[in-house]
Amino acid sequence: AQRVTQPEKLLSVFKGAPVELKCNYSYSGSPELFWYVQYSRQRLQLLLRHISRESIKGFTADLNKGETSFHLKKPFAQEEDSAMYYCALTTGGFKTIFGAGTRLFVKA
Amino acid sequence: NAGVTQTPKFRILKIGQSMTLQCTQDMNHNYMYWYRQDPGMGLKLIYYSVGAGITDKGEVPNGYNVSRSTTEDFPLRLELAAPSQTSVYFCACGGAQYNEAFFGQGTRLTVV
Repeated sequence: AQRVTQPEKLLSVFKGAPVELKCNYSYSGSPELFWYVQYSRQRLQLLLRHISRESIKGFTADLNKGETSFHLKKPFAQEEDSAMYYCALTTGGFKTIFGAGTRLFVKA
Repeated sequence: NAGVTQTPKFRILKIGQSMTLQCTQDMNHNYMYWYRQDPGMGLKLIYYSVGAGITDKGEVPNGYNVSRSTTEDFPLRLELAAPSQTSVYFCACGGAQYNEAFFGQGTRLTVV
């Protein structure tokens, strides 16, 4: 069965500190992985996708198939990064499932 | 473009009542999804559709039904509402390229 695990419900860091939001997945096929972000009072929106290998708002994520992980990283956290972050997996049948989410709180 | 529009934004139902949550998209995307978001549980997939006339169960389909008669609309039906269905419901659509999902603003449903 497909599964996405985000082990941390809450992550609190100081402004300027590095941040890493963990995501592990379980899927026997070739996964497509995403990070979504939900800022306060806004819609859930795509942050980045593994296939693009891009950096968005300073965030990067690398797919590690050996460890079945797709951790989200940013070297220097900003207060405006405070939000709910969801890791998501899309299967070959276009079924998209989400992890439980991690709330990131960046303190001044 | 409006993107994904959900109605209503809020609703209170009594136990045993039924209702339909509406979702419409103007992005001409084939894939549509319904999720529920419970506190601390993230988003759980209820049903999804890969095109008009095709629907499939997700992770938590019990107590819900869907239909997809057009590309634009993907209503979610609750029959015999139960308190366990109190949640925030999100509809989303996605295209074939990159599989990015675009979300509606959500419907907050309370069953009392």
